[in-house]
Amino acid sequence: QKEVEQDPGPLSVPEGAIVSLNCTYSNSAFQYFMWYRQYSRKGPELLMYTYSSGNKEDGRFTAQVDKSSKYISLFIRDSQPSDSATYLCAMRDSTDSWGKLQFGAGTQVVVTP
Amino acid sequence: GAVVSQHPSRVICKSGTSVKIECRSLDFQATTMFWYRQFPKQSLMLMATSNEGSKATYEQGVEKDKFLINHASLTLSTLTVTSAHPEDSSFYICSASFPGTETQYFGPGTRLLVL
Repeated sequence: QKEVEQDPGPLSVPEGAIVSLNCTYSNSAFQYFMWYRQYSRKGPELLMYTYSSGNKEDGRFTAQVDKSSKYISLFIRDSQPSDSATYLCAMRDSTDSWGKLQFGAGTQVVVTP
Repeated sequence: GAVVSQHPSRVICKSGTSVKIECRSLDFQATTMFWYRQFPKQSLMLMATSNEGSKATYEQGVEKDKFLINHASLTLSTLTVTSAHPEDSSFYICSASFPGTETQYFGPGTRLLVL
């Protein structure tokens, strides 16, 4: 079983809809949680970073972490065709001194006009 | 802020040649840099962790003599694919740890095609 599980999609939504993405994990030592957006043939871009449980909002993006359920989410409001990309969740074990990240498989999102 | 560059963005080479890829943190100093490999429609696969001034730490299954990593300064790490073969063709991405945070910022990636 992978440490981080993420549905690869594709997830297709109409423009203006809310995109809901999530990841589950098994390692209770994960304390730092990130969401990256990756366009085709580009490097990942950091979207959101949260520490431990709670919510964080940045513009149209909201990240949620529920450590008791080992579940994190990313919501994109008022989705645009430019949001079409692959979204990767990433997590860091607080005991890992190197700072290595564990990634989900990535969910491909398609926002149709 | 937090910009990471990679050079070259794309390289085509003949089998048996060596290829060097540079990764630079442009506006911050990175004690730790990471090298990843990504196959089409797959997630990132960590190859090695690079710390400034010390030897890189390779993940299991990654040949250290094949993929030479040098982290000579706080802003530059290089990956050299030695005696490249077609199976080394892939998308190589570096990242740098941003000081004071637990995040990594990624470069734009280098697409390697070995003929």
